[in-house]
Amino acid sequence: NAGVMQNPRHLVRRRGQEARLRCSPMKGHSHVYWYRQLPEEGLKFMVYLQKENIIDESGMPKERFSAEFPKEGPSILRIQQVVRGDSAAYFCASSQGSGANVLTFGAGSRLTVL
Amino acid sequence: TQLLEQSPQFLSIQEGENLTVYCNSSSVFSSLQWYRQEPGEGPVLLVTVVTGGEVKKLKRLTFQFGDARKDSSLHITAAQPGDTGLYLCAGALRTSYDKVIFGPGTSLSVIP
Repeated sequence: NAGVMQNPRHLVRRRGQEARLRCSPMKGHSHVYWYRQLPEEGLKFMVYLQKENIIDESGMPKERFSAEFPKEGPSILRIQQVVRGDSAAYFCASSQGSGANVLTFGAGSRLTVL
Repeated sequence: TQLLEQSPQFLSIQEGENLTVYCNSSSVFSSLQWYRQEPGEGPVLLVTVVTGGEVKKLKRLTFQFGDARKDSSLHITAAQPGDTGLYLCAGALRTSYDKVIFGPGTSLSVIP
């Protein structure tokens, strides 16, 4: 019974390249949340998705960032034309419903932009 | 704007001491959660409190939700080195769904 799987765990990109982070939710979970964490800080909400739908993207930067959760396959957080300020840990969480009581987090993907 | 504040931000104590971490907000939450995060890992849920005034105990950890559902505290009795980590409080804002927002965290170091 695997938990939330994120890959890659570590990703290094040069400025201007694209970063793709993947998240496979727990089995039976159809709700996915992405958060970003800078060193020594808490998690900042980015986006909430259900299968094939973006429910709340109020935390996503207006440009360069996009997210999807297709009918089949993992959720993808895509960052185009990365800049040094995008360097952070990106965490995905999943839940069975939209209630807050059962958010399960993955181990995160750590993006470093050179 | 930081909706959730935590204090202290950093705490370094000797093994066996007691400590309390506070989580405060001007917002009302439908529930509040505490997570513990270790370096290089994701947050792990410790507890969820739902009712104002609710107290929950998890071994040496005691969690309390404020009566007005705006604040919470985490008390650790006789801290051990294994308690070292980042403690995050998170509140669920009742919007069209339970939107979970996080505080900045309290970094605890327990020295043997």
